[in-house]
Amino acid sequence: KNQVEQSPQSLIILEGKNCTLQCNYTVSPFSNLRWYKQDTGRGPVSLTIMTFSENTKSNGRYTATLDADTKQSSLHITASQLSDSASYICVVSRTPYKLSFGAGTTVTVRA
Amino acid sequence: NAGVTQTPKFQVLKTGQSMTLQCAQDMNHNSMYWYRQDPGMGLRLIYYSASEGTTDKGEVPNGYNVSRLNKREFSLRLESAAPSQTSVYFCASLAIVNTGELFFGEGSRLTVL
Repeated sequence: KNQVEQSPQSLIILEGKNCTLQCNYTVSPFSNLRWYKQDTGRGPVSLTIMTFSENTKSNGRYTATLDADTKQSSLHITASQLSDSASYICVVSRTPYKLSFGAGTTVTVRA
Repeated sequence: NAGVTQTPKFQVLKTGQSMTLQCAQDMNHNSMYWYRQDPGMGLRLIYYSASEGTTDKGEVPNGYNVSRLNKREFSLRLESAAPSQTSVYFCASLAIVNTGELFFGEGSRLTVL
């Protein structure tokens, strides 16, 4: 079964601290993996994309890693800001029309 | 640049009523999607349209119908709403097929009483 599991379900961090979100998947075949950020009441917005051959990709204070052998990805947020409070969704593509979504991790950044 | 526009943003229905959610994109994308998002669950695909003139069922199509009116517009219809269809609905369009980046609308929050 093509599944995407994210952990933790939610977390609270203090402004300026770092955090790491996890994504484990059993999707096959694998095309690419994306992390989306979803602000409350808004639609998801893409942060990063990882293909099979890529191990690390950064987008500002967001760094995604991928281990295609163990089928694990992580999203690291550095020096968190209040605006990082959102839900982060891991999405794995088998084909452009076959996407598997994780349930998301809700991050709350407190001053 | 509007991107993906959904209407309405909020709607309350009674069981058995019908309604149509509208979606339009101005990015000239071929593929469009309808998802529903429920608490604690990932986004689930209801229907998609790979290109103008085609539609296909997704993971949870029961109780819904869609129309790809033209390349820009993709509507979702609930013929006889049920409380189980209370959800947030997202329309999305797909950019650059090989990379699979979805552009989402702002969502439509539907409550069925």
